[in-house]
Parts: sequence; C-alpha cells; structure tokens
Amino acid sequence: KNQVEQSPQSLIILEGKNCTLQCNYTVSPFSNLRWYKQDTGRGPVSLTIMTFSENTKSNGRYTATLDADTKQSSLHITASQLSDSASYICVVHNTGGGNKLTFGTGTQLKVEL
Amino acid sequence: DAGITQSPRYKITETGRQVTLMCHQTWSHSYMFWYRQDLGHGLRLIYYSAAADITDKGEVPDGYVVSRSKTENFPLTLESATRSQTSVYFCASSDRRAQGLRQPQHFGDGTRLSIL
Repeated sequence: KNQVEQSPQSLIILEGKNCTLQCNYTVSPFSNLRWYKQDTGRGPVSLTIMTFSENTKSNGRYTATLDADTKQSSLHITASQLSDSASYICVVHNTGGGNKLTFGTGTQLKVEL
Repeated sequence: DAGITQSPRYKITETGRQVTLMCHQTWSHSYMFWYRQDLGHGLRLIYYSAAADITDKGEVPDGYVVSRSKTENFPLTLESATRSQTSVYFCASSDRRAQGLRQPQHFGDGTRLSIL
C-alpha cells in the first residue's frame, strides 16, 4: 500500500532555533515529492517540489532534501520564526495506476518565544 | 484579485439535506480538485477535473457529485448529507501545461462543514 509517514507528529521549538521534519514514503513508482505549509484555518501552500533526480531544494529558510534510494525526505527550517507555526505536509506523486498524490498527515510545529 | 475562493467558509446542515460547496478560480487552470481533510488522515481526493466537462473519481467519491460546466467553477454537491461527511473540504487547482500533477496545486482556504 502506498503510504507517506511523517515524524514527529508535533514539535515545539523556541524562536530562532532550527528544526528538521521527516517524511518516509513507500509510494512507487514515484515522480516528485512536495512539502506544503498549512496555517490554521487556511489551505496548504506549496513550499518545494522535488523530482526523483533532485537531492535538495530551498525556499528561503526552508530546505528540503530527498533520498530516493531510501525513500526519505526531510524539511529543515532555519532560524525559526513565530510565523512558522503551522502544519507541514509531505506529499508524494505516484505515477502508477491512478496518477495520484498521496498526502502525509502532517507535522504540527509550534514556535514559541 | 487572482486566486481560488471557496464558499461558504462554514456550513452547518442536517443529515439528509443536499448541500453544495462552491469553488472558483481566476487563473484559468485546467485542473481542479476536491479534497476532504479529517483528523488522523492526510488530505483525500474526492473528485478531480482535467478540463471543463471532464471529471473523474478520486479516492473517496461515494456520496458526492461534481460538475464543471465552466473552467473557473467546480462545485461539489453532497446529495444527501451524512454525519460521516462532516469534514473540512478543500478545493485546489493546477496549471495544465505541466500535466497537472507535476505542478504545485493552489488550494483555497476550505469549507468547514458540520452535519448534525
């Protein structure tokens, strides 16, 4: 079964600190992996999209990495800000039957003073 | 302003009622999607549309109906609402040029639907 597992489920960090969120997937065949940020009460917003041939992609203070061999991705947030408090969702594009996106359940990040 | 808007933002209705959720986008994106988001689940695809008058089932289509007579609109109808359809519903769109799913999806801010 194609799955996307994220860890940790939730995380609290102090403002200014760095953190790394993990995503493991079993989706195959695989085309691309996305990270979305979802603020409370809002829709998800795309942060990065990486194809299977890309190892890393940055968007400001957000850096995503991908290891297609081990089927793992991480999202690193540098110098966190209060506005980073949100749910971060890992999404994998399955190019097999159905050509669909499989969504993880997200990591809930809270940044505190 | 360009974007994707959903209405209503909040809706309370009773079991057995028909309810329609609206979605409108101003980008002229060919692809549009409906998802539901429930605690403990990732976003799950209900229906999607590759173009006007072309729709297809997603992962959880039972109890839902969609139509797409115009590119910019993609309404979702619950024909006879059930409590299990209480959820947050998100509409999304993406550009056709890169085959839909290879481009980022742009999401609306959702409709929170409660069925009593």
